[in-house]
Amino acid sequence: DIQMTQSPSTLSASVGDRVTITCRASQSISSWLAWYQQKPGKAPKLLIYKASSLESGVPSRFSGSGSGTEFTLTISSLQPDDFATYYCQQYNSYSAFGGGTKVEIK
Amino acid sequence: EVQLVESGGGLVQPGGSLRLSCSASGFTFSSYAMHWVRQAPGKGLEYVSAISSNGGSTYYADSVKGRFTISRDNSKNTLYLQRSSLRADDTAVYYCVKDSSSWTYYFDYWGQGTLVTVSS
Repeated sequence: DIQMTQSPSTLSASVGDRVTITCRASQSISSWLAWYQQKPGKAPKLLIYKASSLESGVPSRFSGSGSGTEFTLTISSLQPDDFATYYCQQYNSYSAFGGGTKVEIK
Repeated sequence: EVQLVESGGGLVQPGGSLRLSCSASGFTFSSYAMHWVRQAPGKGLEYVSAISSNGGSTYYADSVKGRFTISRDNSKNTLYLQRSSLRADDTAVYYCVKDSSSWTYYFDYWGQGTLVTVSS
């Protein structure tokens, strides 16, 4: 099974900061990676698919990059609505999620 | 508008059984694979199960294999998850999730989730 590891597990940042979250796969998953945002008590929301494709309606401050085993999600200028937990997900072989990164207010 | 509405959650005793349902609307249900994802209280997301658009193919995570059965009724636009031999670590919010296509395994719409608590 493919294991997904996210870092950091918690990130403290301020509005306007550039934020980067890393996701590593235990083996190559090509570009078959998605990113989701989850707010407390809510279902996750798709942000990015195929490593770097922005889902319709998602603000352009979100971007994804990477291939193979290392991937990043970047928020170019953190907004108040972006404080949430972010998950990566591989879908190269069935599906597996990373452990999550909580972005909290500094 | 795509809507996924789960039902059937609640309190169940260890070793018991429970069937979850997910009523889908706003898209051609029979054209998409569907999935279940769960989240234990305060924990991360865990992938549970998948079923192809026509129901002919299924997949289960090792943690639920042999205990859970996924199925669908395309005439009723409904997805099911039959769970048996429930354990305390099956306690979670269970999300019904729509595949982005016929069988890609990434998810563009999620239900609001239904909480299942396994406890005596």
